[in-house]
Amino acid sequence: NAGVTQTPKFRILKIGQSMTLQCTQDMNHNYMYWYRQDPGMGLKLIYYSVGAGITDKGEVPNGYNVSRSTTEDFPLRLELAAPSQTSVYFCASSPARFKQFFGPGTRLTVL
Amino acid sequence: AQKITQTQPGMFVQEKEAVTLDCTYDTSDPSYGLFWYKQPSSGEMIFLIYQGSYDQQNATEGRYSLNFQKARKSANLVISASQLGDSAMYFCAMREGSTGTASKLTFGTGTRLQVTL
Repeated sequence: NAGVTQTPKFRILKIGQSMTLQCTQDMNHNYMYWYRQDPGMGLKLIYYSVGAGITDKGEVPNGYNVSRSTTEDFPLRLELAAPSQTSVYFCASSPARFKQFFGPGTRLTVL
Repeated sequence: AQKITQTQPGMFVQEKEAVTLDCTYDTSDPSYGLFWYKQPSSGEMIFLIYQGSYDQQNATEGRYSLNFQKARKSANLVISASQLGDSAMYFCAMREGSTGTASKLTFGTGTRLQVTL
């Protein structure tokens, strides 16, 4: 099993550009999550999903959108990128309410 | 109010010694879970240990143990026999809510542990 994979690993965006961060898991987990980690801080929840077709906002959803059309994939869309979205983005999945399995992260810089 | 508080920005410990990383939490939900994750300099998040609010015994996983004091709302991580490879950021996190709800985690700001020779 590859676990949770994220692409790309690194990306630089210009202000106002859009992009999609990809996340795929092969563990057949129902729950998936997107977090961001700002320098020197803990992770903050952006969006989460409890299954295909069901998503909900986390603590810091503004400026992001998600979709969940399959169990495996949970892409995160950034529209109109802003410098405040410079961060490391982690995708995670879990089978239930126990431990989450994290992807390797995507380092995004918005200039 | 902060839901998860880690008051130690940085800690040093000598190799082979034990170290305690502090974590206090705040919740009114009777059903919750507490997690510790390790983040080495490479950046990935590594699960270490989990404690449920109804668990009677403190959780242990190899050299890691969780000192769970429910009345004090603390969930300190104890690492025994520290190794150089334990040098990393350590995050405490909490999941609120009962079975069937998503395991949304709230993280603390982390403690950077440095193991010295």
